[in-house]
Order: sequence, then C-alpha cells, then structure tokens
Amino acid sequence: GAVVSQHPSRVICKSGTSVKIECRSLDFQATTMFWYRQFPKQSLMLMATSNEGSKATYEQGVEKDKFLINHASLTLSTLTVTSAHPEDSSFYICSARAYRGDSQDTQYFGPGTRLTVL
Amino acid sequence: KQEVTQIPAALSVPEGENLVLNCSFTDSAIYNLQWFRQDPGKGLTSLLLIQSSQREQTSGRLNASLDKSSGRSTLYIAASQPGDSATYLCAVRQVGGSNYKLTFGKGTLLTVNP
Repeated sequence: GAVVSQHPSRVICKSGTSVKIECRSLDFQATTMFWYRQFPKQSLMLMATSNEGSKATYEQGVEKDKFLINHASLTLSTLTVTSAHPEDSSFYICSARAYRGDSQDTQYFGPGTRLTVL
Repeated sequence: KQEVTQIPAALSVPEGENLVLNCSFTDSAIYNLQWFRQDPGKGLTSLLLIQSSQREQTSGRLNASLDKSSGRSTLYIAASQPGDSATYLCAVRQVGGSNYKLTFGKGTLLTVNP
C-alpha cells in the first residue's frame, strides 16, 4: 500500500517558538493532503485541506495565521505551528489522497507527530 | 453537520472471544464508511472500506457491515487475539464536495486479554 511519512515524530518546544511538521507521500503523488489534530481520547478533527499549488482551506475555528500550511509539491505538505503555546500540544496527523478513479479514491495516513509545548 | 458516535468507548475481552464494535452516523448521505485501527501514539491503519452501495466487507477475521438507511455500521472481530488490542475508529465520507473530508468517531479502545 501507499506510504505517508511525517517528520518529526516527536517535538518538544518552548512556548512562543514555531514548529514545522512535514508530511510526505513516499510512493505516490497527492494533489490533496489533509491535516488533523487529535487530543487524548478524542476523535481526529480536520484542521485544513491542502491542495498542491494553492492556498489551504481551513475548517471553522482553525486560525490560519497560527497554523500555516504549504503544499509546494505533489509529495510534500508542511504544517507550521507559529508562536506555539501549551494549548497547542496535541497529536498532529496528516493524510494524503491517492485518487485512481472513483473506485480507488483512498486517503493514506501518516504516523503522526506528537507536539509538546512547554 | 455529520456526527459519528462509537459504542462502546472501551471494551475488554478474553482472548478467543468474538466481538462487535458499533458505529452510528447522523447523516445517511454518505459516500463510504471506513474502519481504522490506531495503536497508541501511532497513525491510522485502514482496515475496511465500505462503499455506500455495499452491505459488508470482509478481510480475514474482520467483517464490517453497513446499513446506510439507519445510519449504522458494525465491525465484527472473530476469535480475538491480544494483538488486536488497539483503538478502532470509524469514519464517514459525505456525498458531494471534491475534497474527500472524513468525519471520525471517538473510537473504541479494545483490550484483548491473554
């Protein structure tokens, strides 16, 4: 199956700093990538949809100036958490859409990044 | 707005037991429904995907059913093993739209005891 990687897997930073998380589709091209966050014992919540070469679409309540998304190529999307605060501590998961026709339209998920803001 | 609910939130069973996990959704206008497995601190592994026109899908010891009209899906795990211990998530994709948004439930934490 298709593989999606995330880097780093874990990051600890001080409050006020910025953190960049990378999401890569390793063996397929993804015109669309998605960013989710997950709090303990909660479901995955979609933050934004990222389309290659265009601006990301953010879900209601997600601050676009705080969570900067760049999808510069068909295999790479980045999420930058700017001026991180302790409440941004969470598990961030990306996914990449592999579309090969309506019967093969699948989203593959990365392993996630654990962000801890001190 | 679509809402996905999973019951129970946690389940503990002895090894070898058959079990059923439940998922319900409020808006039946779905494109498909997917079951995932998530190990602690890890990403998601897709288990089964059921298209809206299908009633069930099977993979090994796993069987997922879908009753779209009633907004329900079940994941049946036969002869459970300790290695099945994980959180199981259900997600639905809505009809329409071009961006393939998924709405997830909170998951069921399954523990299979040796």
